[in-house]
Amino acid sequence: GAVVSQHPSWVICKSGTSVKIECRSLDFQATTMFWYRQFPKQSLMLMATSNEGSKATYEQGVEKDKFLINHASLTLSTLTVTSAHPEDSSFYICSDKAGQSYGYTFGSGTRLTVV
Amino acid sequence: GQNIDQPTEMTATEGAIVQINCTYQTSGFNGLFWYQQHAGEAPTFLSYNVLDGLEEKGRFSSFLSRSKGYSYLLLKELQMKDSASYLCAVRDQDSGYALNFGKGTSLLVTP
Repeated sequence: GAVVSQHPSWVICKSGTSVKIECRSLDFQATTMFWYRQFPKQSLMLMATSNEGSKATYEQGVEKDKFLINHASLTLSTLTVTSAHPEDSSFYICSDKAGQSYGYTFGSGTRLTVV
Repeated sequence: GQNIDQPTEMTATEGAIVQINCTYQTSGFNGLFWYQQHAGEAPTFLSYNVLDGLEEKGRFSSFLSRSKGYSYLLLKELQMKDSASYLCAVRDQDSGYALNFGKGTSLLVTP
C-alpha cells in the first residue's frame, strides 16, 4: 500500500524560530496532500490542502503566512511553521488523497514543542 | 460545514462487544471512515462505508445509514490492545475530498 514518510517525528524549538516538516510519498505520486493539526485530547483538524504546482488551500482561521506550505514535486510536501509560539505546540500530520476504499494514508506525525 | 458527533469516552470489558456511534451532517457526503489512534501515533484505517449497510472485517464491523446521517463501529471479542481513540471521519466532496474528523471516542478496555 501507499507509504507516506514524515519527518521529523518530534522537534523542540525556541519561540520565534521556524520549523519545517516534510512529508514524502515513497511509492506513489501525491498530487495532493492534506495537513492536519491535533491538540491534546482533540481530534484532527484540517489546516490546509497542498496541491502540487499550485497554491495551497487553507481552512478558515489558519494563517497562510504563518503556516507556509510548499508542494514543489509530486513526492514532497512541506509545512513550515514560521515564527513559532508556544500555542503552536501540537501534533502535525499529513495524509495523501489516494485510496477510495481503503482510507487515506497518514504520515507518522510530528510532535512540535515550542519553548 | 459539518458536524460530526461521537461519544467522548466508553469503557468495556475484555472479551465483550462495544458499539461506538457517530452522527454527522454534511453537504457533500462521499464516504465515512473509521480510524483507530493510539496516543501520539498516526491514525490507522479500520473501515470505510459509502453505501448503506454493514461492512465486516474480522473483529470490526461498521454500519452506515446515509438517510439518518448515522454510522457505528462494532468491535467484537475486545482485547486490551483495543484501548485507543476511535475516530469517525467523513469525506466531503465540497471540501476537496478531505477527511473531516469527529472528536474521537476514547475506549478503555478493562480486564
